[in-house]
Amino acid sequence: QQQVKQSPQSLIVQKGGISIINCAYENTAFDYFPWYQQFPGKGPALLIAIRPDVSEKKEGRFTISFNKSAKQFSLHIMDSQPGDSATYFCAASMYPYSGAGSYQLTFGKGTKLSVIP
Amino acid sequence: GAGVSQTPSNKVTEKGKYVELRCDPISGHTALYWYRQSLGQGPEFLIYFQGTGAADDSGLPNDRFFAVRPEGSVSTLKIQRTERGDSAVYLCASSLSPSGTGETQYFGPGTRLLVL
Repeated sequence: QQQVKQSPQSLIVQKGGISIINCAYENTAFDYFPWYQQFPGKGPALLIAIRPDVSEKKEGRFTISFNKSAKQFSLHIMDSQPGDSATYFCAASMYPYSGAGSYQLTFGKGTKLSVIP
Repeated sequence: GAGVSQTPSNKVTEKGKYVELRCDPISGHTALYWYRQSLGQGPEFLIYFQGTGAADDSGLPNDRFFAVRPEGSVSTLKIQRTERGDSAVYLCASSLSPSGTGETQYFGPGTRLLVL
């Protein structure tokens, strides 16, 4: 069961354009939604994150939009640059009500973004 | 060290062999996670440590996989009788404390395991 569905699988954007990546989740217990950026040969790095009590969060050129009723959230990259070319993963985690204490992340399958000059 | 480090960076082994993968978390981080990332996929959770104990090992695929963190810092992921399907990048992440959701997990560069 894929709990976090991400689209598109790949995306090509011209320099200066807007990159939009979408994710949908199934488990309404999720309460933390981060986006990670991964360059080839590197581990994922946190880009920006949001909680469901807000509908939008902006940090520099990166914005998360969150729609709780639709169980969807998206990443917008404004003024996309060639240096933004990487794979982006949405993820979700929840409070461990079971008591195990793990805030494990459930990831989408990733979107490979290519920003062309 | 400033970040999470993992060794080796690459490991090639033969089917049936035993391997150990090491993770050095950020100093002071009590929470440690192991994930596995197959080609073209997102990372998948394997096991979580809070301090020295494995608090959640629900993601381990079978009993060939085992992990330890004896002193609450360095962790070792151990895979017995490796199979070709174990080939993946094994990622380690650490976070400051499990005080609530939203505690940033910092990932290491991963160990690329290839089972021939």
